[in-house]
Amino acid sequence: DVKVTQSSRYLVKRTGEKVFLECVQDMDHENMFWYRQDPGLGLRLIYFSYDVKMKEKGDIPEGYSVSREKKERFSLILESASTNQTSMYLCASSFDQTAGNTIYFGEGSWLTVV
Amino acid sequence: KNQVEQSPQSLIILEGKNCTLQCNYTVSPFSNLRWYKQDTGRGPVSLTIMTFSENTKSNGRYTATLDADTKQSSLHITASQLSDSASYICVVSAEAGANNLFFGTGTRLTVIP
Repeated sequence: DVKVTQSSRYLVKRTGEKVFLECVQDMDHENMFWYRQDPGLGLRLIYFSYDVKMKEKGDIPEGYSVSREKKERFSLILESASTNQTSMYLCASSFDQTAGNTIYFGEGSWLTVV
Repeated sequence: KNQVEQSPQSLIILEGKNCTLQCNYTVSPFSNLRWYKQDTGRGPVSLTIMTFSENTKSNGRYTATLDADTKQSSLHITASQLSDSASYICVVSAEAGANNLFFGTGTRLTVIP
């Protein structure tokens, strides 16, 4: 089974702190994604990557950056956390760009910024 | 504008009963439609995926239908169980390419004994 692992399930950070959310997938997938999920808004794409060192902005990239130095690892960085970034963050991966490929999600990281 | 709307927002049913969740979309050009189940505090898990040419697909007690002409999909759950309590999310892909995804806000299903 494909496994997408998010290293931190629950975090509490102070405003202005730098926050790293790590995600690792074990199936040699090309595509990796970071979403945030807020009540009533559904999942919104922050950034995605289709190859090592490649990244593309999603719908809400402001305040975030990403890093993909290795194929299996995709990190989300909050340079200076703010309270409006309190949310659930979901990492996902898929094999390639072919339509119909299943997208696998991690278990989520709950971030609270105080 | 590409949108995915789900109804109802929430639903409570008795254990053993059937239910149907709806998904309407305006995404174009259409590539595929996926249904995910998300347990509280967990990540979404794929239930079904359907392309333009498929109008029904089953996964155990879950059956998804797709009408590409009316741009509607439904997820039917048969003989519900307590473990079916979750949010069900409809996701539509605009074209080939896993990044062109549009998410519904989900239907929250609660199954009570």
